Amino acid sequence: NAGVTQTPKFQVLKTGQSMTLQCAQDMNHNSMYWYRQDPGMGLRLIYYSASEGTTDKGEVPNGYNVSRLNKREFSLRLESAAPSQTSVYFCASTRPAGGPTDTQYFGPGTRLTVL
Amino acid sequence: QKEVEQDPGPLSVPEGAIVSLNCTYSNSAFQYFMWYRQYSRKGPELLMYTYSSGNKEDGRFTAQVDKSSKYISLFIRDSQPSDSATYLCAKNNNAGNMLTFGGGTRLMVKP
Repeated sequence: NAGVTQTPKFQVLKTGQSMTLQCAQDMNHNSMYWYRQDPGMGLRLIYYSASEGTTDKGEVPNGYNVSRLNKREFSLRLESAAPSQTSVYFCASTRPAGGPTDTQYFGPGTRLTVL
Repeated sequence: QKEVEQDPGPLSVPEGAIVSLNCTYSNSAFQYFMWYRQYSRKGPELLMYTYSSGNKEDGRFTAQVDKSSKYISLFIRDSQPSDSATYLCAKNNNAGNMLTFGGGTRLMVKP
């Protein structure tokens, strides 16, 4: 049971380039999330998907798009990367009967640098 | 004002010390609060959660919420070098399972 996996682990982009961050979970979770983490800012929610086929904006969605490909996979796309998107990106998921105390399980993160 | 605020630290303590980590929050409607631990270059993992009032204990860890002052605390007894990590507090916004995180406090426990 791998939990939440993310690829790639590291990436360097030039301003204006595009890329897709991949996330997959093997825990049969319904809800999946994308966060970014910047020094002193904690984790900020970019987009989330409450269930397969639905996606919603979080706190900081500008410059990103997402796709819930199936129940297991949730990808994050940067169409035209900017230096302000340099960050560590985390994917998370939570169990089907999601309630307010349910654990969000996080992946290992993708460290992205935009030059 | 951020909804959940933490002192970023770092907080450095000797092994065996009692550690107190604190958060403040601004919205009284929140009911559930979580503490996540994040080791360097890893994803956060849930340490414990607590309801909006009272204490919850789990081994060496105690989470406390003071609703009147909007203060959340995590106490670590007999701290160990393996407790060295960043501790993130989070609140649940009562709409499903949406979390808002504080900025995190970095803790260093020295042998």
